[in-house]
Amino acid sequence: DVKVTQSSRYLVKRTGEKVFLECVQDMDHENMFWYRQDPGLGLRLIYFSYDVKMKEKGDIPEGYSVSREKKERFSLILESASTNQTSMYLCASSLPQARAETQYFGPGTRLLVL
Amino acid sequence: GDSVTQMEGPVTLSEEAFLTINCTYTATGYPSLFWYVQYPGEGLQLLLKATKADDKGSNKGFEATYRKETTSFHLEKGSVQVSDSAVYFCALSDRNFNKFYFGSGTKLNVKP
Repeated sequence: DVKVTQSSRYLVKRTGEKVFLECVQDMDHENMFWYRQDPGLGLRLIYFSYDVKMKEKGDIPEGYSVSREKKERFSLILESASTNQTSMYLCASSLPQARAETQYFGPGTRLLVL
Repeated sequence: GDSVTQMEGPVTLSEEAFLTINCTYTATGYPSLFWYVQYPGEGLQLLLKATKADDKGSNKGFEATYRKETTSFHLEKGSVQVSDSAVYFCALSDRNFNKFYFGSGTKLNVKP
């Protein structure tokens, strides 16, 4: 079974702090994704990566950056956390689109910015 | 652009009732369609999928049929259980751009 793990289940940070959310997958997937989940809005794509050191902006990249130095690890960075970034953050991974399309999700990190 | 619209919740049913959660989509190409489920405190899990028109995805008693003519992928189950209480997300996969588009989610509450 594919396993996607996220570094924290719950996180509390203060406004202005730099926040790192880590995601690791163990199935050698090329694609990795970061979403945020908010009530009534579903999942919105922040960034995705289809290879090491490659990244693409999703629908809501403002205020976020990402890093993918190794294939198995995809980090989401909040450069200066703000209260409107309080949310549930979900990481996912998948094989390239042409071979398989299912995304596998981690358990999520619930971030509270005070 | 591509998008998914699903019925708003919450949906509250009694155990053994019939379930339908509506999902319609807009896509320029020929997407694959998915239903994901999120149990309380967990991430999303794939429930079922269909990759081309008229395909039927099924799993754990849930079914959905890819209807190109109505651009729909409605989720159905003949007899729900309390353990089916969760949030259900409809999604499509854009084959060209490695992106998924998710609906807003429908919360299902099943009462004993």
